[in-house]
Amino acid sequence: DVKVTQSSRYLVKRTGEKVFLECVQDMDHENMFWYRQDPGLGLRLIYFSYDVKMKEKGDIPEGYSVSREKKERFSLILESASTNQTSMYLCASSPQGNGQPQHFGDGTRLSIL
Amino acid sequence: GENVEQHPSTLSVQEGDSAVIKCTYSDSASNYFPWYKQELGKRPQLIIDIRSNVGEKKDQRIAVTLNKTAKHFSLHITETQPEDSAVYFCAASRDTGFQKLVFGTGTRLLVSP
Repeated sequence: DVKVTQSSRYLVKRTGEKVFLECVQDMDHENMFWYRQDPGLGLRLIYFSYDVKMKEKGDIPEGYSVSREKKERFSLILESASTNQTSMYLCASSPQGNGQPQHFGDGTRLSIL
Repeated sequence: GENVEQHPSTLSVQEGDSAVIKCTYSDSASNYFPWYKQELGKRPQLIIDIRSNVGEKKDQRIAVTLNKTAKHFSLHITETQPEDSAVYFCAASRDTGFQKLVFGTGTRLLVSP
């Protein structure tokens, strides 16, 4: 069974802090994704990566960056956290190729005070 | 870019009734359409998907239909049960190696006993 693990379920940080969200998958998937989930807005793609050291902007990349130094790990970085980044963050992974299902982690509920 | 609209935002049915959730998409090149179910406090999980060369797909009480001409697809749940209560997301993507999904805004389904 595919396992996508996010390092924290709940996280509270202060405005201006640098925040790291970590995601690890154990299925050797090429693709990894970061989404944020807000009520009434669904899941919106922040960044994705299709290979080690490769990254592509999603639909809402402003205020975020990512790092993929190893195939199994994809990190989301909030360079200077702001209150409007309070949200649920979901990581996902999928194998390469069309029509491959994305497998999600349990999510990190991040609050910026 | 792709835009996916999903209706209704909330749906309440009695146990045993059928439920239908509809999505429309804008990019005629999209050809993969998955549906995800997210129970309260849990990760989204793929429940069914359909590709553009198929008009309908069924899996027990769940079915998905696709109309490529009209650019809409629907999720049908028959004989609903309380455990079907969840938020359902539709999504669409093109045939690309890294399968960037665009999600609808979600439908909260409540099945009352």
